[in-house]
Amino acid sequence: AQSVTQLGSHVSVSEGALVLLRCNYSSSVPPYLFWYVQYPNQGLQLLLKYTSAATLVKGINGFEAEFKKSETSFHLTKPSAHMSDAAEYFCAVRTAGGYQKVTFGTGTKLQVIP
Amino acid sequence: DAGVIQSPRHEVTEMGQEVTLRCKPISGHDYLFWYRQTMMRGLELLIYFNNNVPIDDSGMPEDRFSAKMPNASFSTLKIQPSEPRDSAVYFCASSIQGRGTDTQYFGPGTRLTVL
Repeated sequence: AQSVTQLGSHVSVSEGALVLLRCNYSSSVPPYLFWYVQYPNQGLQLLLKYTSAATLVKGINGFEAEFKKSETSFHLTKPSAHMSDAAEYFCAVRTAGGYQKVTFGTGTKLQVIP
Repeated sequence: DAGVIQSPRHEVTEMGQEVTLRCKPISGHDYLFWYRQTMMRGLELLIYFNNNVPIDDSGMPEDRFSAKMPNASFSTLKIQPSEPRDSAVYFCASSIQGRGTDTQYFGPGTRLTVL
């Protein structure tokens, strides 16, 4: 079975500071990994995804994530937080091949302090 | 592209009433997903379809919930009878099969309140 664990349900950073949101995955076969963002009163939208190509993945709005197989991690980072980054972030995993069932993590709410 | 369309955006109903949520996926997408989001349980996959066929409904909470996809451009999620614990935001998402095209596109959600 595939799963993801997001460490920290709430993260606060100062504007301009580094953003680091943690995600660890469990999958018996090579996974596809995703980060989605949800702004208040909206649906989720894709930030970035790893599908077995380059291990460092760049996404929208200056976010990036690195796939580390040895650590089973896929942490999301952004060098400098902006007020508009305040949202909830979800890590997700899908087993490569087959049907597209995706398992989402419990989410991390990011607060950006001015 | 209009994106995934859900209706209604908000629904308030009384316990025991039937509720029907509607979804129009993105044209050409062959997967459709129904999710439920609550503070307590987070984002839960209820059911998903491939080419209008239900593939996995293991997340449907109980027999009061049913979902249909009569054609490639329309799906419904029905709750009958509704209960206060069904109050949540229900999302529909669609995607297309293929290498590098695993992105799920979410609709804006339907906020359901059962009194």
